[in-house]
Amino acid sequence: AQSVSQHNHHVILSEAASLELGCNYSYGGTVNLFWYVQYPGQHLQLLLKYFSGDPLVKGIKGFEAEFIKSKFSFNLRKPSVQWSDTAEYFCAVSPTDSGGKLQFGAGTQVVVTP
Amino acid sequence: GAGVSQSPSNKVTEKGKDVELRCDPISGHTALYWYRQSLGQGLEFLIYFQGNSAPDKSGLPSDRFSAERTGGSVSTLTIQRTQQEDSAVYLCASRLAGGGIYEQFFGPGTRLTVL
Repeated sequence: AQSVSQHNHHVILSEAASLELGCNYSYGGTVNLFWYVQYPGQHLQLLLKYFSGDPLVKGIKGFEAEFIKSKFSFNLRKPSVQWSDTAEYFCAVSPTDSGGKLQFGAGTQVVVTP
Repeated sequence: GAGVSQSPSNKVTEKGKDVELRCDPISGHTALYWYRQSLGQGLEFLIYFQGNSAPDKSGLPSDRFSAERTGGSVSTLTIQRTQQEDSAVYLCASRLAGGGIYEQFFGPGTRLTVL
């Protein structure tokens, strides 16, 4: 069965620090990959996505992610975080033959201190 | 509307009662998904509708859960004989289908509490 694993459940860091959140998945076929974010009191919104092509994708608010096929990984990065990046981050995988349904990782709660 | 809307935003019910949760997708989106978000299980897929095709019900946890989508638009998720473990936030998402556009837009969710 396919699975999505996020390495950290909670991350606390200071403003201007760099952020990297790990995501690994297990699935034998072709997948589409996503990072979603849920800010406090708000609903899930898309940060970035990978379908094909350049494995380094850039999203909103200065986030980027790199797809490494050989490692089944899709790690999220931001060089310098802000207090407003405090949120829960979810990695999600969608096999291309699944009709688009998403399988989510457990999420990582990120707290950025001023 | 501009986004996916869900109603009610909060629902408190007693164990054994039936509940209906509603989702209004973004106009023109042909695909509609239900997920639930709970403390113990994280975000789980429940059911998926695409156009006039038979829904993918593979994520429904029991036969107490059902969903329909009328006229290719509004969807209702029904939970019969609710149990305490059904307490969760139920999320709806919609997307355009085809053409490689696979971003799902999520609604704000319905928080269900079963007493």
